[in-house]
Amino acid sequence: DAKTTQPNSMESNEEEPVHLPCNHSTISGTDYIHWYRQLPSQGPEYVIHGLTSNVNNRMASLAIAEDRKSSTLILHRATLRDAAVYYCILREDTGRRALTFGSGTRLQVQP
Amino acid sequence: KAGVTQTPRYLIKTRGQQVTLSCSPISGHRSVSWYQQTPGQGLQFLFEYFSETQRNKGNFPGRFSGRQFSNSRSEMNVSTLELGDSALYLCASSFGLAVYNEQFFGPGTRLTVL
Repeated sequence: DAKTTQPNSMESNEEEPVHLPCNHSTISGTDYIHWYRQLPSQGPEYVIHGLTSNVNNRMASLAIAEDRKSSTLILHRATLRDAAVYYCILREDTGRRALTFGSGTRLQVQP
Repeated sequence: KAGVTQTPRYLIKTRGQQVTLSCSPISGHRSVSWYQQTPGQGLQFLFEYFSETQRNKGNFPGRFSGRQFSNSRSEMNVSTLELGDSALYLCASSFGLAVYNEQFFGPGTRLTVL
C-alpha cells in the first residue's frame, strides 16, 4: 500500500483556518486521497476525498498538489469540536480497498 | 436515517472464551468492514463483506472470523480470546465497494479480556 506521512500534532486557535498537510510521494494514478477524523471516544468520521482536483464540502476543502504527491486538508474556521485525530488515507482502486490508517495528526484547538 | 449500530457496546471476557460482536449497517448499505483499534497498533483492518461474501481480509489470525447475512447485518467472532485482543472493535458500512464510497463508522464495541 502507498504510504502517507503526516505531522504527529498541530495546534490552532478557534475561528482560525487550519491547514493539515499530508505527503504521499508514492501515490499511484488510481489512488484516491481520503481524509477521516476521529473525535475522542467516537468512531472515525469521513471528512472528504479527492482524486486529482481540489474538492470542497460543508466540512472542509481538500487541496491536491498538481503532481499528487501531497495534499492539504483545510478547515476554514476551526471550532473546539474540530479537535480530533485526522487521518490522510490512500485507497487504491484495485485489489485491497480497505482503509489503511496511519498514526494521523492530532489537532488541538485553543479557545 | 439511522447510523451504524453495534452491539454490545462493552464486553468483558476471560482468556480462552469466545465472543461475537454484531453490526447493523445503515439501511441500503451492502458493504460492511471491521477494524480493530488498540493504543499500540492504532486502527487495523480486519475484513470486509459485501453481499454475504468476504471480499478482503487483513493480517489477523484465523481466530478472527466474520459473516454477513442477507439483510447486510454482520457479525464477527473471536475464538480462544487472548489478552492482546482487548481493543475497540469498529464496524463501518458503505453503499458499495467503490473506493470513492465513504465509510460510515459505528461507535464501536469495547472488548476487555481478563
